[in-house]
Amino acid sequence: AQSVTQPDIHITVSEGASLELRCNYSYGATPYLFWYVQSPGQGLQLLLKYFSGDTLVQGIKGFEAEFKRSQSSFNLRKPSVHWSDAAEYFCAVVAAGNKLTFGGGTRVLVKP
Amino acid sequence: GAGVSQSPSNKVTEKGKDVELRCDPISGHTALYWYRQSLGQGLEFLIYFQGNSAPDKSGLPSDRFSAERTGGSVSTLTIQRTQQEDSAVYLCASSLWIGRQSTGELFFGEGSRLTVL
Repeated sequence: AQSVTQPDIHITVSEGASLELRCNYSYGATPYLFWYVQSPGQGLQLLLKYFSGDTLVQGIKGFEAEFKRSQSSFNLRKPSVHWSDAAEYFCAVVAAGNKLTFGGGTRVLVKP
Repeated sequence: GAGVSQSPSNKVTEKGKDVELRCDPISGHTALYWYRQSLGQGLEFLIYFQGNSAPDKSGLPSDRFSAERTGGSVSTLTIQRTQQEDSAVYLCASSLWIGRQSTGELFFGEGSRLTVL
């Protein structure tokens, strides 16, 4: 069965610093990969997605993610974090059955 | 409407009571999903509907949970004889399918927070 692991439960980063959130997936074929963000009191919003093609994908709010098949990873990055990026981030995979499976999430705290 | 709408936004109930949570998906989205988000937990898949196909109920935690989707649009998640462990935020999402394939992007509602006393 497909699964998604986000090793970091919490990350604290200073405003203006770079951010990288890790995501590893388990699936036999190439899955569809996603990153969602959940800001306090709000619903989940799609940041970016990877289906095929270029392994570096750009998303909204200045985020990007890189698909690495050899490492079964899809890490999310942002070069310079803003205070408004404080939120919980979820990596997700869609494989057979069109069912979206989420990782456990990483909560990002931004220090001024 | 413009987005996925869920009601109620908050529900407090007593153990043993039944509750119904409603989801109104984005117009034209044929797929509808229910997830559960418990405190400190990730998002747990519950059930999904796509068009006229039989729903995928593989995530429902017990037979106290059921869901229906009427007319291919609005969905109701019902929890019978609620237990304290049912306390969570219940999220609904919808997505667009093109042909036989989901576009992959789910649009989420803001959730229904259920508290069972």
